[in-house]
Amino acid sequence: DQQVKQNSPSLSVQEGRISILNCDYTNSMFDYFLWYKKYPAEGPTFLISISSIKDKNEDGRFTVFLNKSAKHLSLHIVPSQPGDSAVYFCAASAPRGGGNKLTFGTGTQLKVEL
Amino acid sequence: DGGITQSPKYLFRKEGQNVTLSCEQNLNHDAMYWYRQDPGQGLRLIYYSQIVNDFQKGDIAEGYSVSREKKESFPLTVTSAQKNPTAFYLCASSTGDGFSSYEQYFGPGTRLTVT
Repeated sequence: DQQVKQNSPSLSVQEGRISILNCDYTNSMFDYFLWYKKYPAEGPTFLISISSIKDKNEDGRFTVFLNKSAKHLSLHIVPSQPGDSAVYFCAASAPRGGGNKLTFGTGTQLKVEL
Repeated sequence: DGGITQSPKYLFRKEGQNVTLSCEQNLNHDAMYWYRQDPGQGLRLIYYSQIVNDFQKGDIAEGYSVSREKKESFPLTVTSAQKNPTAFYLCASSTGDGFSSYEQYFGPGTRLTVT
């Protein structure tokens, strides 16, 4: 039962354009969402997060949007750069007391082309 | 330098042997986690520990064991009972209080190959 879904395994974008990565979730108890970036053979690194009380959070070139009614979030990267090429994981966390457990999606491979 | 270390980077074992993967953190985090990553799949939680001398099973704990005798260390043993042990193993830590941050910090990972 995949509670966090990233339905696009891959995405190709031209340098300078916008990259939009999508994530859907099924568990209505999730109240905090995170995006991680991962290069091959390395551990994921935290990018940006959003609480369920917000619908948008921005950090430099990265913006995360949350649509609670649709159980959908997206990560926007503007402008996209070649160094952004990596696998992006969406993750979600249930309410406090759950040991800070994160449930991860299957990832989207982003390729930013010159 | 504060962070999480996992050793070794690559590990090879024969089928039927137990193997222990190391994870150490100097971030003073209470909570630690073990995940495995397989091709085309996300990170799946094996075990987690919120405090020293306590740990809980994650989603795929069968064939694995852990210990948490020190705050800094959370070793994972892959036993011979694990049917598909070849994978990329990731250790993570967090403050664990569930109030200040949900963010988990990851180590560089260990690639285990069992033949």
